[in-house]
Amino acid sequence: DAGVIQSPRHEVTEMGQEVTLRCKPISGHDYLFWYRQTMMRGLELLIYFNNNVPIDDSGMPEDRFSAKMPNASFSTLKIQPSEPRDSAVYFCASSLRVQGSSFGSGTRLTVV
Amino acid sequence: EDKVVQSPLSLVVHEGDTVTLNCSYEVTNFRSLLWYKQEKKAPTFLFMLTSSGIEKKSGRLSSILDKKELFSILNITATQTGDSAIYLCAVANSGYALNFGKGTSLLVTP
Repeated sequence: DAGVIQSPRHEVTEMGQEVTLRCKPISGHDYLFWYRQTMMRGLELLIYFNNNVPIDDSGMPEDRFSAKMPNASFSTLKIQPSEPRDSAVYFCASSLRVQGSSFGSGTRLTVV
Repeated sequence: EDKVVQSPLSLVVHEGDTVTLNCSYEVTNFRSLLWYKQEKKAPTFLFMLTSSGIEKKSGRLSSILDKKELFSILNITATQTGDSAIYLCAVANSGYALNFGKGTSLLVTP
């Protein structure tokens, strides 16, 4: 099992640019989560999906953030336009119902 | 609003010491409490607790949940330098989304 795969590992972009983060969950997992981690706020849940359907997006900071899950094996988190305060590590995680979530290695985003 | 509070924020111990990490929570419709270990990259799953008073154990690590007092502890005995990490506590409500605490940073010195 390859685990949760995220890409890219690092992204440096200029303010105002569009950023797309990608995630491939573990095969067979029916929940997918997007988290953001910063020193100040720790790990925060942004949005999660169940069977490809968004269930709770109340953690998405603002309309600049959007997430999609077109099929069971792929999800994207998009920020448009990006701002310096979006700099963080973004994690994708997946789980099979009550089991503990497995996290990807994260994408370190820097917006300059 | 759901809340997860971990203490202490950081801890420095000598190899061989025993440590206890604390996690208290306030959450509506509690489902489970989970512990994760985060080294340089992604959090890795340690334990999931759903019932009070039942200890979960894995090697030198153990954890227990008190649903009446709304807290959990994570114990690490005979600590090793490889135990140095951030330990995260998270609580799941009726959904499966996790609300994380800020973590306890543990440093084990030789």
